[in-house]
Amino acid sequence: GAVVSQHPSRVICKSGTSVKIECRSLDFQATTMFWYRQFPKQSLMLMATSNEGSKATYEQGVEKDKFLINHASLTLSTLTVTSAHPEDSSFYICSASPGLQKGAFFGQGTRLTVV
Amino acid sequence: KQEVTQIPAALSVPEGENLVLNCSFTDSAIYNLQWFRQDPGKGLTSLLLIQSSQREQTSGRLNASLDKSSGRSTLYIAASQPGDSATYLCAVPGGATNKLIFGTGTLLAVQP
Repeated sequence: GAVVSQHPSRVICKSGTSVKIECRSLDFQATTMFWYRQFPKQSLMLMATSNEGSKATYEQGVEKDKFLINHASLTLSTLTVTSAHPEDSSFYICSASPGLQKGAFFGQGTRLTVV
Repeated sequence: KQEVTQIPAALSVPEGENLVLNCSFTDSAIYNLQWFRQDPGKGLTSLLLIQSSQREQTSGRLNASLDKSSGRSTLYIAASQPGDSATYLCAVPGGATNKLIFGTGTLLAVQP
C-alpha cells in the first residue's frame, strides 16, 4: 500500500506558541490531503481538506485562522496550530490517497500537548 | 446523507475464535469500502479495500465482504490473536472531495 508519513509524532509546546505538523505522501502524489483531530476514546473528526495550490476547505466550527493549512506541493501538506492553548491538546492525523480507486492512507498521527 | 454504522460497538473474545464485524451504510451508491484498524495512540492502518464491483477481498486471516444492495459489509477475522486487539473502522468515500465517512467503530479485545 501507499505510505503517508507524518512528523513529528509527539510535540509539547508552551501556551501561546505555534506548532507545525507535516504530512508527506512518500510514494505518490496527492492533490488532496485531509486533516483530522481525535480526542481520547472518540472518533476521528475531519477538520479540513487540504488542496494543492489553493485554499483549504474547513469543516464547520473549525477556525481557519487557528489551524493554518498549507499544501504547497503534491507530496506535502502542513498544519500549523497557531497560538496554541491547552484545549488544542489532541491527536492530529492526516490522510492522503493515490486515487479514489486505491483507497486512503493515514499518517502515524501527532500527539500535541500544550502546557 | 451517507451514514455508516458498525455493530457491535465492542467485542471481547478468547484467543483462537473466529469473529465477524459488521458495517452498514445507508446510501448504496458507494465507490468502494475500506476497512482500517487503529491501535491506541496510533494512526489508521488500511486492512482491506473493496471496490463496488467486488464481492469480497482477502488478506491473510482477514476476509471482507460487500453487499451493496443491502448496504452491508462484514470483516471476518479467522483464528483471532491477542495482537488483533484494536479498534476496527469501516469507511466509504463521499461528498464532492470524496472525504471518508467513517463507521462508529468496533473495539475488539482478544483475550489470551
